[in-house]
Amino acid sequence: EPEVTQTPSHQVTQMGQEVILRCVPISNHLYFYWYRQILGQKVEFLVSFYNNEISEKSEIFDDQFSVERPDGSNFTLKIRSTKLEDSAMYFCASSEGGGPPYEQFFGPGTRLTVL
Amino acid sequence: EDKVVQSPLSLVVHEGDTVTLNCSYEVTNFRSLLWYKQEKKAPTFLFMLTSSGIEKKSGRLSSILDKKELFSILNITATQTGDSAVYLCAVEPTQGGSEKLVFGKGTKLTVNP
Repeated sequence: EPEVTQTPSHQVTQMGQEVILRCVPISNHLYFYWYRQILGQKVEFLVSFYNNEISEKSEIFDDQFSVERPDGSNFTLKIRSTKLEDSAMYFCASSEGGGPPYEQFFGPGTRLTVL
Repeated sequence: EDKVVQSPLSLVVHEGDTVTLNCSYEVTNFRSLLWYKQEKKAPTFLFMLTSSGIEKKSGRLSSILDKKELFSILNITATQTGDSAVYLCAVEPTQGGSEKLVFGKGTKLTVNP
């Protein structure tokens, strides 16, 4: 069964460093998303991406964040200068999108720890 | 602001019990409501409910959507220890097809043998 994959599963970084989180969405899906979940809190939307551009972003997704689809399979989230409060589980999701509602399928997540 | 509220936040039952998890929502527009199960990491999809599909069932799990009263319930009958997880409710507001999901805090279900 097709699934969303993410690498790495755990990333530890120093405050101020840049990190890139990687995702491979399900191959025939058109919409891609990043969410984050701070420990003990709710899952929060960061950004959605369609047709090689951002379609929506939340207030959390400030200038320190960027997303890219560098090739036909990968979808990345970059945090330019990490802060302690960026420590969270980051989930990538994808859906077929468009027309009727489609469910979003989530990857296993990357746990980011900023020291 | 779009909001999803789940109750209870935590629930402990014995194997064989039936549980009902609640989700109420306030969104500017409504496109769909989804239930996910989160065990260790990734939320795994359970059900999607829309205006054209307000009742879903799969094995021991079932869910209904009340669009008038703005809530949904997830029922699990004959619970098993493997049902222990956090159950997430999410709503998709209609916003130009971007399909972001707004999540509740989740209900942590513990099923004891």
